[in-house]
Amino acid sequence: SQKIEQNSEALNIQEGKTATLTCNYTNYSPAYLQWYRQDPGRGPVFLLLIRENEKEKRKERLKVTFDTTLKQSLFHITASQPADSATYLCALPDNYGQNFVFGPGTRLSVLP
Amino acid sequence: GAGVSQSPSNKVTEKGKDVELRCDPISGHTALYWYRQSLGQGLEFLIYFQGNSAPDKSGLPSDRFSAERTGGSVSTLTIQRTQQEDSAVYLCASSLGLGPIDTQYFGPGTRLTVL
Repeated sequence: SQKIEQNSEALNIQEGKTATLTCNYTNYSPAYLQWYRQDPGRGPVFLLLIRENEKEKRKERLKVTFDTTLKQSLFHITASQPADSATYLCALPDNYGQNFVFGPGTRLSVLP
Repeated sequence: GAGVSQSPSNKVTEKGKDVELRCDPISGHTALYWYRQSLGQGLEFLIYFQGNSAPDKSGLPSDRFSAERTGGSVSTLTIQRTQQEDSAVYLCASSLGLGPIDTQYFGPGTRLTVL
């Protein structure tokens, strides 16, 4: 089964800097990979989907890359703001492509 | 429009009691998922419904856990003879049922505490 690792349980950065979060998977390379944001006491909210043939995807201050050779996705937040503080989860389809496996998440704190 | 709703938002029960958690998905969404999230942990998949197909129950941790989805809409997750290790936030999500490219829309969760 697919195993997902996300860098450091918690990441602290200064406001205005770029936050970089990693998602590494160990098994097969999925055709798609998703990133979600979760705030305390709330369910995750979808942010971005990237396909295996897309090396990079952008949405406003967010950028996601997908390297199937390294079995890794990077999630960048540029010009970070305190409001970006949250837990960020990556998700991949399971072996059968019907369901999703979520990573453990990285808790990002942007310090003013 | 209305998002995914879950009830109750909080449930405190005694060990050994049964509990029912409810999920109202977004109208028109054919796929429905249940997850469990323990404090500081990631999401643990429990069960997945897709249209009229047999549900994928591969994530249910024991036979004390069961779920139903009536009329392709509302779903109920039942935990029988609750144990303290069942304490967690139970999250429901729904989607259009497009497979891996789907966007899942999550409810706010039900926080279950077993004393």
